[in-house]
Amino acid sequence: GEEVAQTPKHLVRGEGQKAKLYCAPIKGHSYVFWYQQVLKNEFKFLISFQNENVFDETGMPKERFSAKCLPNSPCSLEIQATKLEDSAVYFCASSQSTATEAFFGQGTRLTVV
Amino acid sequence: SQQGEEDPQALSIQEGENATMNCSYKTSINNLQWYRQNSGRGLVHLILIRSNEREKHSGRLRVTLDTSKKSSSLLITASRAADTASYFCATDANNNDMRFGAGTRLTVKP
Repeated sequence: GEEVAQTPKHLVRGEGQKAKLYCAPIKGHSYVFWYQQVLKNEFKFLISFQNENVFDETGMPKERFSAKCLPNSPCSLEIQATKLEDSAVYFCASSQSTATEAFFGQGTRLTVV
Repeated sequence: SQQGEEDPQALSIQEGENATMNCSYKTSINNLQWYRQNSGRGLVHLILIRSNEREKHSGRLRVTLDTSKKSSSLLITASRAADTASYFCATDANNNDMRFGAGTRLTVKP
């Protein structure tokens, strides 16, 4: 596709439930990035992929967060046992290379209640 | 940890005035990008400036990069109410990940 597609747009989960977010990068883009934005503040880097390989996961809370980018499937970000502080907008971005611009999806707003 | 830091955190100006936002970063970079975000929506790419470039223009936007000071500035000339948004800088360091600052919230009053 010509744009980064994130689904769902909104997700509400009870504390302790699982949340799964999806991102379809732009066709031909090798890099995928996930960011967390809390209350319109700074973007916290979570994880990046180069094709289906994890490139950098230094931003990922190791205990409950996981992500995958499998061939011929949307990338996914999964949060096990959600907590209230996981409430945020999660943005996905893709780029052809690190020297070119990144295109962002519209984000998934996760609300944990 | 985040790489870029924008200042000011918030800026309010009148339509027609110029707006200048600054970004400082900590480590060596390959390039620096500026993005705009309207009301919590996705980021829109504005300009990419490479580490060997000092200045770049795009329409009413002018970006400078000073690698010796590890800083960049975004100038919006002749601002319009539609420029009201949050502006973020993102740096691409050697590990190829983009890191964002907290952003500058710009309000342009009609």
